[in-house]
This record gives sequence, structure tokens and C-alpha cells, in this order.
Amino acid sequence: QKEVEQDPGPLSVPEGAIVSLNCTYSNSAFQYFMWYRQYSRKGPELLMYTYSSGNKEDGRFTAQVDKSSKYISLFIRDSQPSDSATYLCAMSASGGTSYGKLTFGQGTILTVHP
Amino acid sequence: KAGVTQTPRYLIKTRGQQVTLSCSPISGHRSVSWYQQTPGQGLQFLFEYFSETQRNKGNFPGRFSGRQFSNSRSEMNVSTLELGDSALYLCASSWGTSGGSSYNEQFFGPGTRLTVL
Repeated sequence: QKEVEQDPGPLSVPEGAIVSLNCTYSNSAFQYFMWYRQYSRKGPELLMYTYSSGNKEDGRFTAQVDKSSKYISLFIRDSQPSDSATYLCAMSASGGTSYGKLTFGQGTILTVHP
Repeated sequence: KAGVTQTPRYLIKTRGQQVTLSCSPISGHRSVSWYQQTPGQGLQFLFEYFSETQRNKGNFPGRFSGRQFSNSRSEMNVSTLELGDSALYLCASSWGTSGGSSYNEQFFGPGTRLTVL
């Protein structure tokens, strides 16, 4: 079983829809939770970062972390065709064997159609 | 500020050959991490270098190796290539504080697409 599970989709929604992306994890040592977006033929770029449990909002994007349930979410409001990409959740612990290591979910392919 | 650069962008090799990929981090960043991305396994951590020292290593065979130079540029080498090594190889750089106890955002390069025939 993988440390981080993410539904690979694909997910197809109409423009303006609210998108919900989710990941579950099994490693209790994870403290940092990230969402990356990856366009075709590009490297991942960081969208949101959250430390421990809680919510974080940035424009149309909201990230939620529930450490008690080992569950994280990303919500995209008023989705746009330019949001079409692969969304990857990533997590890391601190110190020791976690140096420089992000553990990723499989990625969810999102298509927003006009 | 220039981003992370990787060369070459595309590479075609045959089984049994070896390959060297290069990564130039963002100026000032001292940590470079390498990842392999495949459709089946997703993004998997290979190793991380900080100040020319490998601090962390993922679960890959010894055919995968790397190094980092004094200017923080990094190379990874794959020897005796296998068909299953076909993947997008990504490097990411960060400040990489020596204590490792705080969050360091990783900035990814565009990747090197390796095809093994």
C-alpha cells in the first residue's frame, strides 16, 4: 500500500464548477502538506502549502488538512479552462530521513471545459 | 531570477547504456532533490544532495547515483539502462536548511524525458 493515495481521475468539469481533490496518507510523521500543479511537458509548480492541520485560502484555492483523519483536500472555486492540469498532493516529514524528500500522490488529471 | 534548468530535455538510449543528466539549481539554493516520474508509479524520490553530500536516498537500485558540485549543480547517472528506466526525471532545488526541521519549498525544473529502447 502506498504512503499517499490519490484518485487519479480523470476528472472533467464545466467552467465555473467547484472542484474537490483529495488525498489520504498513512504516515503519521508527515507535517507539511502541499499541492502542486503540473501542466503537460512541464515540471510541477507549488500551488499551496500547509503546515499541520488547518485551512489555507489563496484566491480561488483552498487547502484543508485533517491530520486526525490523515486526509487533505484542495478546493478550486470558479474553475477555469486554464486550471486544466494534473494536480499532485505531496507531503513531507521533518529532519532526519526526510531531508529533501517529498512523497507524492499519483496525481489527478483535471479538465475544465468551456 | 532564473529557474531550475535541466539538460538535456530529451534523451534516447538503448538497454545496457549509461546516461548522465544535469541539473542547475536556482542561484543560492544548496539542496537538490531528484525524482523519477512514470505513469504507473507517479513521482518517486531518488535522492537529495546538500553541500555536495548525499543526505537522503530513496528506494532505487545502486544503478542510480548522483553527485553535487561546489556550485550546487547536480548530476545523476543511471548505469546499465533497462526498459523500465524510461521516465521523466525531475530535479528540484531549495534552500535546504541544514537542520531539516523547517519547510523548504522545492522548485522543480522542466525535467529530462529519457526513453530506453
